Amino acid sequence: EAQVTQNPRYLITVTGKKLTVTCSQNMNHEYMSWYRQDPGLGLRQIYYSMNVEVTDKGDVPEGYKVSRKEKRNFPLILESPSPNQTSLYFCASSRPGQGATEAFFGQGTRLTVV
Amino acid sequence: AQSVAQPEDQVNVAEGNPLTVKCTYSVSGNPYLFWYVQYPNRGLQFLLKYITGDNLVKGSYGFEAEFNKSQTSFHLKKPSALVSDSALYFCAVRGSSGTYKYIFGTGTRLKVLA
Repeated sequence: EAQVTQNPRYLITVTGKKLTVTCSQNMNHEYMSWYRQDPGLGLRQIYYSMNVEVTDKGDVPEGYKVSRKEKRNFPLILESPSPNQTSLYFCASSRPGQGATEAFFGQGTRLTVV
Repeated sequence: AQSVAQPEDQVNVAEGNPLTVKCTYSVSGNPYLFWYVQYPNRGLQFLLKYITGDNLVKGSYGFEAEFNKSQTSFHLKKPSALVSDSALYFCAVRGSSGTYKYIFGTGTRLKVLA
């Protein structure tokens, strides 16, 4: 089954404690991205990756890092989380190129930073 | 710059009545347009997309959307709403050249009343 898997689904952490949210896709997609969803703001892109070892900032990259060492994995790293990073996070993957392919989304990670 | 507007935060409709969720967009070049649905505690699920061709696009769960180039709109419709259609709906646009970035609207909560 084609899917994007995020872990963990829920996470409560304290300010300043480094954390990683994992994302893995089994569709051999080149393009992967991270979004955060906040009420009234919709989904905003944090970082994206066009392929292995190719990453770039999205609209709200401050306080986040990513890596793309393998095609299937695209972890999101918060080096020093702060309360304003409390949000619902989604990883997505898609295949760029010819035509318009839809993005596939993970189930989401609800992060609370206290 | 690309943008998507969903003018209604919430739409209420009685079960069995037709529903419309509005979306307007701004993009240079030809747009690729998408609708996604988000159920509670779930990721975004793809409903339908417009690439080119027929202005009326049919998708999952009986939903359809009408592309109107002159009004730059892509409204989501369903002839007869179900209580189970109650969810959060997102419109998204992607440019047809260059970037593969998806721009999402702020979402519209659909409430179908029994």
